[in-house]
Amino acid sequence: DTGVSQDPRHKITKRGQNVTFRCDPISEHNRLYWYRQTLGQGPEFLTYFQNEAQLEKSRLLSDRFSAERPKGSFSTLEIQRTEQGDSAMYLCASSPRTDAPDTQYFGPGTRLTVL
Amino acid sequence: QKEVEQNSGPLSVPEGAIASLNCTYSDRVSQSFFWYRQYSGKSPELIMSIYSNGDKEDGRFTAQLNKASQYVSLLIRDSQPSDSATYLCAVRWATGGFKTIFGAGTRLFVKA
Repeated sequence: DTGVSQDPRHKITKRGQNVTFRCDPISEHNRLYWYRQTLGQGPEFLTYFQNEAQLEKSRLLSDRFSAERPKGSFSTLEIQRTEQGDSAMYLCASSPRTDAPDTQYFGPGTRLTVL
Repeated sequence: QKEVEQNSGPLSVPEGAIASLNCTYSDRVSQSFFWYRQYSGKSPELIMSIYSNGDKEDGRFTAQLNKASQYVSLLIRDSQPSDSATYLCAVRWATGGFKTIFGAGTRLFVKA
């Protein structure tokens, strides 16, 4: 499968615990995005990487959230001291660097449940 | 005011009919517009993108953009039960960096 992959697919944690999600983009794609989606809403932008550089971060993202893409390939999203309000689907998307506005290819998502 | 607004639906159409989905966006320097389809429990997949005023057709899908009126629409001709999904409108502004703003989506049901 050459699509975007995410791991784990499901995560159940207790409030206050830290969690980390991984995203592997399509191999030739240098742009990587993280989104959060809750029931009945569209994906909400969290952050964007071009290669290893984090170029944009949502103001809605609290300091409990951090993302990395150390070698410009896979990316991780960490949530510290999880809260029940963090329960959502976390989506990763990647796109190639072209001149045209990019087409984002989404992974299957990681569903987080905070108890 | 939300930046991208869609009627949440559900929109119900009979099989073979034309489904019309609408999206309005706030007045900013707009650049790119996208329609994504999302089946229940799945991730979004791109159907069409449109950048210029007018119509863009791809198979049974037609996207229409009117920047003066700040709306973008998606027409689905010959609707099939397999088209039943949530359709997400997304907008990227020229001054918005790389952030893409999604609407909440419109649920479409195509009745066989």
